[in-house]
Amino acid sequence: EPEVTQTPSHQVTQMGQEVILRCVPISNHLYFYWYRQILGQKVEFLVSFYNNEISEKSEIFDDQFSVERPDGSNFTLKIRSTKLEDSAMYFCASSGTGDGYTFGSGTRLTVV
Amino acid sequence: GQQLNQSPQSMFIQEGEDVSMNCTSSSIFNTWLWYKQDPGEGPVLLIALYKAGELTSNGRLTAQFGITRKDSFLNISASIPSDVGIYFCAGQPSGNTPLVFGKGTRLSVIA
Repeated sequence: EPEVTQTPSHQVTQMGQEVILRCVPISNHLYFYWYRQILGQKVEFLVSFYNNEISEKSEIFDDQFSVERPDGSNFTLKIRSTKLEDSAMYFCASSGTGDGYTFGSGTRLTVV
Repeated sequence: GQQLNQSPQSMFIQEGEDVSMNCTSSSIFNTWLWYKQDPGEGPVLLIALYKAGELTSNGRLTAQFGITRKDSFLNISASIPSDVGIYFCAGQPSGNTPLVFGKGTRLSVIA
């Protein structure tokens, strides 16, 4: 069964550093998303991406965040100048026409 | 923004018992989804509902899309220890729009 792959599974970074979280969506999906889940809380939408541009973003997705699809397979989330409160699980998801959402297993980001 | 109220927040049940959880919203959704999340993992889709009034089963799981499009429930029959986890409802306003998640129901099954 096709799956969404995320790397790394766990990333520890110092406050103020930049991190890049990587995702390989399902190959025939056209819509890509990043969600965040702070420990013990619900999953929150960050940003959606379609046709090589951001289609929607939440108020969480401020100038500190950016997304990119650098080639035909990868979809990345960059967090500049990380803060302690950025510590969370970050989930990538993809969907296609007539195809529901599929989530990756997540990247646990720990900012120290 | 849109919010989903999911209840109960947590449940402790005996193995073999049936479980019911639900989500309500003040907004209409065109799709309701139910996910299960195990520790350290991403949400895994259990059931997707696309039409108001739809009742769908997946093994011991049954979910319904409320007729008003503002609510959904998930039932688990004859619970087993591997049902332990956090169950999330999610609503999707339309098409490939972002999901709105409930806060989750933490299920514990006592053998």
